[in-house]
Amino acid sequence: EPEVTQTPSHQVTQMGQEVILRCVPISNHLYFYWYRQILGQKVEFLVSFYNNEISEKSEIFDDQFSVERPDGSNFTLKIRSTKLEDSAMYFCASGLGGLSGELFFGEGSRLTVL
Amino acid sequence: QQQVKQSPQSLIVQKGGISIINCAYENTAFDYFPWYQHFPGKGPALLIAIRPDVSEKKEGRFTISFNKSAKQFSLHIMDSQPGDSATYFCAASVLGTYKYIFGTGTRLKVLA
Repeated sequence: EPEVTQTPSHQVTQMGQEVILRCVPISNHLYFYWYRQILGQKVEFLVSFYNNEISEKSEIFDDQFSVERPDGSNFTLKIRSTKLEDSAMYFCASGLGGLSGELFFGEGSRLTVL
Repeated sequence: QQQVKQSPQSLIVQKGGISIINCAYENTAFDYFPWYQHFPGKGPALLIAIRPDVSEKKEGRFTISFNKSAKQFSLHIMDSQPGDSATYFCAASVLGTYKYIFGTGTRLKVLA
């Protein structure tokens, strides 16, 4: 069964460092998303991406964040200068589009900022 | 208005019992209500979903009950099994946007 894969599974970084989280969505999906879950809190929407551009972003997704689909398979989330409060589990998700509704999530990348 | 409130935060059920998790939303524009099941180390996976044109949807042991006027929906797990032990998230969205507003999650433990 096709699945969304994410790397790394866990990254530890120093405050102020740049981090890139990588995702390989399901190959025929057209819509791509990043969500995050701070420990003990709910899963929150960060950004949606379609047709090589951001279609919507939340207030969390400030100028420190960027997304990119550098080739036909990868979808990346970059945090330019990490802060302590960026520590969270980051989930990539993809969807087929239309009215299917279902999002397929990856296993997550745990980011720890020290 | 974008919140989805979920309860309880945790739930312990005996094997064979019924697990019930409740969610409430505020935004009447929401028209797609999925439940996701999340096992540690795995990505959340769609369990069952409902649209507001029906009041109930059943798939195997899992049933969603939906009350449009009260803006509430719930997940019932019949004959709960230890393998059902996971975190369950309800969510709401406008169908086609994929921008889910998640509830805070319910950690279910089914005792053998």
